[in-house]
Amino acid sequence: EIMLTQSPDFQSVTPKENVTITCRASQSIGSSLHWYQQKPDQSPKLLIKYASQSFSGVPSRFSGSGSGTDFTLTINDLEAEDAATYYCHQSSGLPTFGQGTRLEIK
Amino acid sequence: EVQLVESGGGLVQPGGSLRLSCAASGFSVSDNYMTWVRQAPGKGLEWVSVIYTGGSTYYADSVKGRFSISRDNSNNTVYLQMNNLRAEDTARYYCARSWYADYWGQGTLVTVSS
Repeated sequence: EIMLTQSPDFQSVTPKENVTITCRASQSIGSSLHWYQQKPDQSPKLLIKYASQSFSGVPSRFSGSGSGTDFTLTINDLEAEDAATYYCHQSSGLPTFGQGTRLEIK
Repeated sequence: EVQLVESGGGLVQPGGSLRLSCAASGFSVSDNYMTWVRQAPGKGLEWVSVIYTGGSTYYADSVKGRFSISRDNSNNTVYLQMNNLRAEDTARYYCARSWYADYWGQGTLVTVSS
């Protein structure tokens, strides 16, 4: 099983800051890494597919990068509505998810 | 418009069975990988099962031998048959489309308790 480890687990930030969330895979997964946003009592929403491809309708302040074992999700110019839990997910082998990163906006 | 609607959740006793349904619209389930993902209360996302376009199926170790994924192309619906349910299967179950889960349903809640 391919393990995904996200960091940090929690981050408290102020609006207009820039934030980076990392996801490390236990073995190389190429670019088969995807990012989701989940707000309380909502289904997850796809933000980034295949490491760096933005999904339709996602604001441009969300971007992804990385390949192999190390990946990042960057959110620029944070807005209050970005308060959520963010998950990475790999589809190289049988799918797995990271443990999630909760983002609090002060 | 792509839409996924799950149903079939509820309260069931340990050892019992449930069949979840995921009705799709706006695309064909037969042309897409379809996935079930679950989320226990207050916890993260856990992949459960996938059915490939060719019909191959795969399961997480935690449900292997107890859960079975299938699809009905004529009804454009994916199913998850869950047998021998345990307390630790309590979760909201989501279906999602494609290998990278671009669309998700709203989920259906399964509670396993006596």
